[in-house]
Amino acid sequence: DSGVTQTPKHLITATGQRVTLRCSPRSGDLSVYWYQQSLDQGLQFLIHYYNGEERAKGNILERFSAQQFPDLHSELNLSSLELGDSALYFCASSVAGDRGRYYGYTFGSGTRLTVV
Amino acid sequence: TQLLEQSPQFLSIQEGENLTVYCNSSSVFSSLQWYRQEPGEGPVLLVTVVTGGEVKKLKRLTFQFGDARKDSSLHITAAQPGDTGLYLCAEIRMGAQKLVFGQGTRLTINP
Repeated sequence: DSGVTQTPKHLITATGQRVTLRCSPRSGDLSVYWYQQSLDQGLQFLIHYYNGEERAKGNILERFSAQQFPDLHSELNLSSLELGDSALYFCASSVAGDRGRYYGYTFGSGTRLTVV
Repeated sequence: TQLLEQSPQFLSIQEGENLTVYCNSSSVFSSLQWYRQEPGEGPVLLVTVVTGGEVKKLKRLTFQFGDARKDSSLHITAAQPGDTGLYLCAEIRMGAQKLVFGQGTRLTINP
């Protein structure tokens, strides 16, 4: 157990639907990062939140959004789902700011999303 | 845009053999991390290298950071089936605001 909890582990949904993925960071970590992993694209950075504020955005589609709540858990919302959104979605957390450079990121076990 | 290139993409060897995988960049790394990912799990941090020329050892794994900080290698001695996995290099960018990964080397150690 890495200390980062992601739910659900598996999700199967139809095209056009909306889903919410949840992440609870490791105790004490203020930063939460979301990544998408597909076979042909590798691990792609989506978005970073620090203590409730958005800090960096990657190639996140407009149909996707995220937020971090006061208790530091984060949710990734995916809407108008397409077949190509099928992927593993990982959440990671890290210690604050530049210290993450040395201590690294702790990843959850991911949510496998299948859009049919 | 700085790219992280990992090679080889796939590597399958017999138990007991040695191997080296590589991570290269078009420009200088600020710092570099190596992760290992097993099927169905998230990546797990193996090491962070920061200083050019730095060498770090983790049991049978040896990590090297190039003098010019544009490349890194991971050497595994006497590979074991438990070493099987996806090995990813990653760089922290934008003042630690995001971690960018290479495509990875998928390693299979056959008993």
